Amino acid sequence: DQQVKQNSPSLSVQEGRISILNCDYTNSMFDYFLWYKKYPAEGPTFLISISSIKDKNEDGRFTVFLNKSAKHLSLHIVPSQPGDSAVYFCAALAGGYQKVTFGTGTKLQVIP
Amino acid sequence: KAGVTQTPRYLIKTRGQQVTLSCSPISGHRSVSWYQQTPGQGLQFLFEYFSETQRNKGNFPGRFSGRQFSNSRSEMNVSTLELGDSALYLCASSLSGNEQFFGPGTRLTVL
Repeated sequence: DQQVKQNSPSLSVQEGRISILNCDYTNSMFDYFLWYKKYPAEGPTFLISISSIKDKNEDGRFTVFLNKSAKHLSLHIVPSQPGDSAVYFCAALAGGYQKVTFGTGTKLQVIP
Repeated sequence: KAGVTQTPRYLIKTRGQQVTLSCSPISGHRSVSWYQQTPGQGLQFLFEYFSETQRNKGNFPGRFSGRQFSNSRSEMNVSTLELGDSALYLCASSLSGNEQFFGPGTRLTVL
């Protein structure tokens, strides 16, 4: 039972354009969401997070949007850069516990 | 401040053997979580330890076990290895909040 889903396994975007990565979840108990970036042969690196009391959080070129009614969140990267090419994982937690549920990841390729 | 370290980085074992992986968290972090990453499955949560106690456990068979020492270092053990256990095993540490810091992982290959 995949409680966090990233339905697009891959995405290609031109440099300078916007990258939009999507994530859906099914567990209504999730109240905190995170995005991680992962390069090959490295562990995931924390990017940005959002609490369920907010619907938007911004950090530089990265913005995460949360639509609780649709159980959907998205990560926007503007402008996209070649160094952003990596696998992006969406993750969710319920009740502050450390059991993080990850999605299957979306491989982003930013084309110069 | 040093990051999360995992040893060994690569490991090759044969079916039926057992393996022990080690994780040293960031200094001061008391929570250590373990994940298995396989192609198409994303990161699957194995278990989480806090102050030497297992607080959370994922849906893995009993062949997968772990422990945490008083210095917060953690080990994960897999007994009676199966081909399907071939994966990248990631360890993450956390101070107490929701943000986890990951190590580089141990790539386990079971032949």
